[in-house]
Amino acid sequence: AQTVTQSQPEMSVQEAETVTLSCTYDTSESDYYLFWYKQPPSRQMILVIRQEAYKQQNATENRFSVNFQKAAKSFSLKISDSQLGDAAMYFCAYSADKIIFGKGTRLHILP
Amino acid sequence: DTGVSQDPRHKITKRGQNVTFRCDPISEHNRLYWYRQTLGQGPEFLTYFQNEAQLEKSRLLSDRFSAERPKGSFSTLEIQRTEQGDSAMYLCASTVSMDTGELFFGEGSRLTVL
Repeated sequence: AQTVTQSQPEMSVQEAETVTLSCTYDTSESDYYLFWYKQPPSRQMILVIRQEAYKQQNATENRFSVNFQKAAKSFSLKISDSQLGDAAMYFCAYSADKIIFGKGTRLHILP
Repeated sequence: DTGVSQDPRHKITKRGQNVTFRCDPISEHNRLYWYRQTLGQGPEFLTYFQNEAQLEKSRLLSDRFSAERPKGSFSTLEIQRTEQGDSAMYLCASTVSMDTGELFFGEGSRLTVL
C-alpha cells in the first residue's frame, strides 16, 4: 500500500529565511503525482505545488520549489523568503489513483 | 463556479444517532473525494467517486459508513450509529481529473458526537 511520511511535526523559521519540509513516500508504481498542500488555520486546504513523477525537472512556483528524488522516494518542499502568511499546516500528498496525504508539518513563521 | 460546498458545517449528535453530510462539488468536476481529519492530523482517505461510480472505500472504514453520488453530481456521506470516535472534520474535495491533480476542498463538516 502507498504511504506518505512527514517526519517533522513542527518547524519554525525566521521571516525572510528559507525552510525545507521533508516528505518520503512508498510506492511500487512508476507513474504518479506528488503534491504539497497548505492548510492555513481554520481555512480550506489549497494546492501549493505539484510534481509529475515522469518529469525530472523539479517544479517551482514563485517562492516554493521542490526537490524530487525519485529513486529515494523523497519529495521535499523549500520555501524561500518566508512570509508571515506562510504559517500553516503543510501536507505532502501522493496519487497514482486516489490521493493520500501525510500527517502534516506545522510551520511557524517567527517575525 | 461557487466552489465546493458542504452541509451542514457543524453537526452535534448523540451517540447512536445517524448523521448525513452533503457535498456539492464544482459542477464540471467528475472526481469527488471524502476525507476525515482530526485535529492536527492529515486528511484520512475515506472514499472517492468517478462520476457516480464509487471507485474505492477505505478498508479502515466500518460498515457504519456509506457514501453515494447519484447521477454523478452531489454526494452524501452517512454515518450510522455514531460513536464518539467518529467526532472529526469530514472534508469533501473535487477535481476535474487526475491529470491536474488539484483538489478543491470544501470548508468541511465538523461532527461532534456526545
